[in-house]
Amino acid sequence: AQSVTQLDSQVPVFEEAPVELRCNYSSSVSVYLFWYVQYPNQGLQLLLKYLSGSTLVESINGFEAEFNKSQTSFHLRKPSVHISDTAEYFCAVSGSSNTGKLIFGQGTTLQVKP
Amino acid sequence: KAGVTQTPRYLIKTRGQQVTLSCSPISGHRSVSWYQQTPGQGLQFLFEYFSETQRNKGNFPGRFSGRQFSNSRSEMNVSTLELGDSALYLCASSIEQYTEAFFGQGTRLTVV
Repeated sequence: AQSVTQLDSQVPVFEEAPVELRCNYSSSVSVYLFWYVQYPNQGLQLLLKYLSGSTLVESINGFEAEFNKSQTSFHLRKPSVHISDTAEYFCAVSGSSNTGKLIFGQGTTLQVKP
Repeated sequence: KAGVTQTPRYLIKTRGQQVTLSCSPISGHRSVSWYQQTPGQGLQFLFEYFSETQRNKGNFPGRFSGRQFSNSRSEMNVSTLELGDSALYLCASSIEQYTEAFFGQGTRLTVV
């Protein structure tokens, strides 16, 4: 069965510092990978996705993630964070064996301090 | 383009009652999925519908059910509510399977 592990439950960081949120998945089949962000009392917003093609994917607000098949990882990075990036981030995976189903990690709370 | 709309946003129910939550997907999206989010269990998949057919179901008791209408709108129902059913229920829609899912704002259900 597929699973997703987000290695850090909380990541505190100062404003303008770089950050990496780690995500590992387990699957023996082709996967599709996603990062979602959730602000308090809100739903999930898609941040970026890997479906196929280039292993480095970028979002419009400066985040990027790299699909690493050999290490089964899909870590999220940002070179310089803002206060407004404070939120909870979820890594998710779906695959051919899970029709329409996303499996989520437990989430990482990013706390950006001034 | 309108996003995924969930109604109501907040709901308070008493143990033993039943509840129906509604989800309107993005226009043109035929797949609708439901998730339960709690602090202890995180985000858990409930079920997914595509063209009015349930294609996948999570590990929840039979008290949780859903359906999808011909216009792709979906409802989920929880009967005989328990305190542990208190959660944020999220609906997501996508064009097809294996494409990205877009989530609604959720319905916050509190069972007292």
